[in-house]
Amino acid sequence: GAVVSQHPSRVICKSGTSVKIECRSLDFQATTMFWYRQFPKQSLMLMATSNEGSKATYEQGVEKDKFLINHASLTLSTLTVTSAHPEDSSFYICSVSRANYGYTFGSGTRLTVV
Amino acid sequence: RKEVEQDPGPFNVPEGATVAFNCTYSNSASQSFFWYRQDCRKEPKLLMSVYSSGNEDGRFTAQLNRASQYISLLIRDSKLSDSATYLCVVLSSGSARQLTFGSGTQLTVLP
Repeated sequence: GAVVSQHPSRVICKSGTSVKIECRSLDFQATTMFWYRQFPKQSLMLMATSNEGSKATYEQGVEKDKFLINHASLTLSTLTVTSAHPEDSSFYICSVSRANYGYTFGSGTRLTVV
Repeated sequence: RKEVEQDPGPFNVPEGATVAFNCTYSNSASQSFFWYRQDCRKEPKLLMSVYSSGNEDGRFTAQLNRASQYISLLIRDSKLSDSATYLCVVLSSGSARQLTFGSGTQLTVLP
């Protein structure tokens, strides 16, 4: 499958600050990337689909102004959690889909808002 | 009703045991099916795809019954290293192709 790098792996931030998470496709030009969120003991939930050069598509119930997605190049998508609050603490994972290789996930970012 | 439902577990089994996980999905138009493995605090990793004819990969056997919208995973001769959460994953069809995850079944293989 594709090689996906996600950074940072862990971040602790104060309530009210913003956090940027990067997802890079290292060996494949990805026009689409996916962002998921996973709360403890729950399944991964798709938050949004990031589209290179255009606006992201957000799932129902996900605030686009709070979770800013930028996919400015074919190898990089970023998710910015703005004005983070403790309830945003979660495991955020990006994913890339590559024809004939299926879906590959980044290593995830564990966000803790204090 | 959840789109993808799994046995909640947890399953605690001794080494060498055979264990089976079940999964049902609600969207009859779903086109592809997978089992992923997720270790604690890690990203999911593909274990195997699931085909209607059934498929086997070493100690792992996956089955799909489209009529019943049912997917299974059988693990034979369990190893300690099989301890993880197993996610049933369904790929929807159509223009909005996306993965839908079950909540996972936790397996602990005991020495």
